[in-house]
Amino acid sequence: EAQVTQNPRYLITVTGKKLTVTCSQNMNHEYMSWYRQDPGLGLRQIYYSMNVEVTDKGDVPEGYKVSRKEKRNFPLILESPSPNQTSLYFCASSWRRNTGELFFGEGSRLTVL
Amino acid sequence: QQQVKQSPQSLIVQKGGISIINCAYENTAFDYFPWYQQFPGKGPALLIAIRPDVSEKKEGRFTISFNKSAKQFSLHIMDSQPGDSATYFCAASMRTAGETSGSRLTFGEGTQLTVNP
Repeated sequence: EAQVTQNPRYLITVTGKKLTVTCSQNMNHEYMSWYRQDPGLGLRQIYYSMNVEVTDKGDVPEGYKVSRKEKRNFPLILESPSPNQTSLYFCASSWRRNTGELFFGEGSRLTVL
Repeated sequence: QQQVKQSPQSLIVQKGGISIINCAYENTAFDYFPWYQQFPGKGPALLIAIRPDVSEKKEGRFTISFNKSAKQFSLHIMDSQPGDSATYFCAASMRTAGETSGSRLTFGEGTQLTVNP
């Protein structure tokens, strides 16, 4: 089954404790991206990657890091989480040259106390 | 700066009615306008999309109307059903250096649709 898998789905942590949200896709997509969803703000792009070892900032990259060492994986790293990073996070992927359809994971709900 | 503005924030419709969600954009370089549907606990999924060379696209009960001069587009859901209750996001993107239009999608704020039985 074609899918984008995120882990963990739910996480409660404390300020300053480093955490990583993993994302893996099995569709051989070149493009991967991270979004955060907040009420009234919609989906905002954090980082994206056009291919292995190629990453770039989205609209709200502050406080986040990413890496793309393998085509299928695109982890999101919060080095020192803060309460304003409490949010619902989505990983998405697509083919590099396509109609523009993004395939989303099921989301990771993060709470930073 | 929000480049895609969506309204209303929430919408309640009776079964069988028409649901209409509107979006407005600012960047005239946008060339791809999709709508995504999100059910609770799930990620968004592509519902329907349009490019600016056409004014309307219909897929079943879902229709996108596009007004290039007004920089507006809307989603119409005909004969709305309780199963259509979800959050809907409009989005827009443009090609960057020849790459896919999906790579820099800018999303609207979202509309929570409730269809009462």
